[in-house]
Amino acid sequence: RKEVEQDPGPFNVPEGATVAFNCTYSNSASQSFFWYRQDCRKEPKLLMSVYSSGNEDGRFTAQLNRASQYISLLIRDSKLSDSATYLCVVNPFNAGGTSYGKLTFGQGTILTVHP
Amino acid sequence: GAVVSQHPSWVICKSGTSVKIECRSLDFQATTMFWYRQFPKQSLMLMATSNEGSKATYEQGVEKDKFLINHASLTLSTLTVTSAHPEDSSFYICRIPDTAGITFGSGTRLTVV
Repeated sequence: RKEVEQDPGPFNVPEGATVAFNCTYSNSASQSFFWYRQDCRKEPKLLMSVYSSGNEDGRFTAQLNRASQYISLLIRDSKLSDSATYLCVVNPFNAGGTSYGKLTFGQGTILTVHP
Repeated sequence: GAVVSQHPSWVICKSGTSVKIECRSLDFQATTMFWYRQFPKQSLMLMATSNEGSKATYEQGVEKDKFLINHASLTLSTLTVTSAHPEDSSFYICRIPDTAGITFGSGTRLTVV
């Protein structure tokens, strides 16, 4: 079983649609969770961290279910500019101090938003 | 978060040659840097962790004699792909663990012909 598993998609949705991505992780000791966005041939950029209580940032909502070892990302009112690959990222170590340890990346979910 | 400069952003080289990739932390002293590789349509895979002033720690299956890592100062880590072959063609990217948590370099796309 992969450490972090995502549905690779691709997801093709029209502008304005709501789309949800799921991610499961195998290491129950994982401490920190993130969603990253990666555009073609570019470095990943942090979209948002994921907290147990769930968190929202504009059109984006992330949720974490520790019991099921499951993370989700919901995008509302999709824009053309949302087209990218979305990476689920898990840090299996305690963040501790001021630095983060190794990260484990899912393979990414491809989203294409069309007019 | 910290600013990370990685270069070159892309390189094409002949099979058998060596390529050096630099990762600089411009405003953060990094005792540790991470090097990742990403093949098309695949996830980022950690190759190694460079440690300032000491040997790098390589992940299982990564040849340390092929991928030479040097972390000579708190602001610079280099990855050298030695005797590159077409199967080494990939996207290489560094990351530093700064106070904001996670900062990536802009990546280097290596094509070996």
